[in-house]
Amino acid sequence: AQSVTQLGSHVSVSEGALVLLRCNYSSSVPPYLFWYVQYPNQGLQLLLKYTSAATLVKGINGFEAEFKKSETSFHLTKPSAHMSDAAEYFCAVSVDSTLTFGKGTMLLVSP
Amino acid sequence: EAGVTQFPSHSVIEKGQTVTLRCDPISGHDNLYWYRRVMGKEIKFLLHFVKESKQDESGMPNNRFLAERTGGTYSTLKVQPAELEDSGVYFCASSQEAFRDLAKNIQYFGAGTRLSVL
Repeated sequence: AQSVTQLGSHVSVSEGALVLLRCNYSSSVPPYLFWYVQYPNQGLQLLLKYTSAATLVKGINGFEAEFKKSETSFHLTKPSAHMSDAAEYFCAVSVDSTLTFGKGTMLLVSP
Repeated sequence: EAGVTQFPSHSVIEKGQTVTLRCDPISGHDNLYWYRRVMGKEIKFLLHFVKESKQDESGMPNNRFLAERTGGTYSTLKVQPAELEDSGVYFCASSQEAFRDLAKNIQYFGAGTRLSVL
């Protein structure tokens, strides 16, 4: 079975600051890893996906994540936060066709 | 192209009543998934349809939940009778690829139905 741990239910940053959202996973087989974002009153939107092609994955809106097998991590980063980045972010793992999610991290961005 | 559509967006019912949630996937997507997020918890998988067949229903909580996908298009999730612990947000997702190529399996999610059982 696989699992995901997201450290921090809430992360607060100032506009322009670095965004770092942490995700660690557990899987008995090589996984596929995902980051989704949910803006208020909207569905989950895929930010990026790791499929073993490259360890550094670039996504939409300036986000990227690095797969580190030795650390079983897939942390999400963005160099400079915008107010529009305020949302809830979910890390997920898949070894078959279904997704196993973490509990989510709410990103708060202050002016 | 229309995305995954779910309705109602919000449903408030009393314990013991029946509620039916509906999901319209992206046109042409054979795979349809239901997930649920109970407050304060992670989003959890409920079941997976491939066309009209249930591929995996290992996440369904109990027999008060019934999912159908007649004709392989839209899907319904019925809760009968509803209990307090059924409250949460129910998400539907669809994808084109599933088992054939997991690397291409991208699930597109709807906005969810928020179910409140009083």
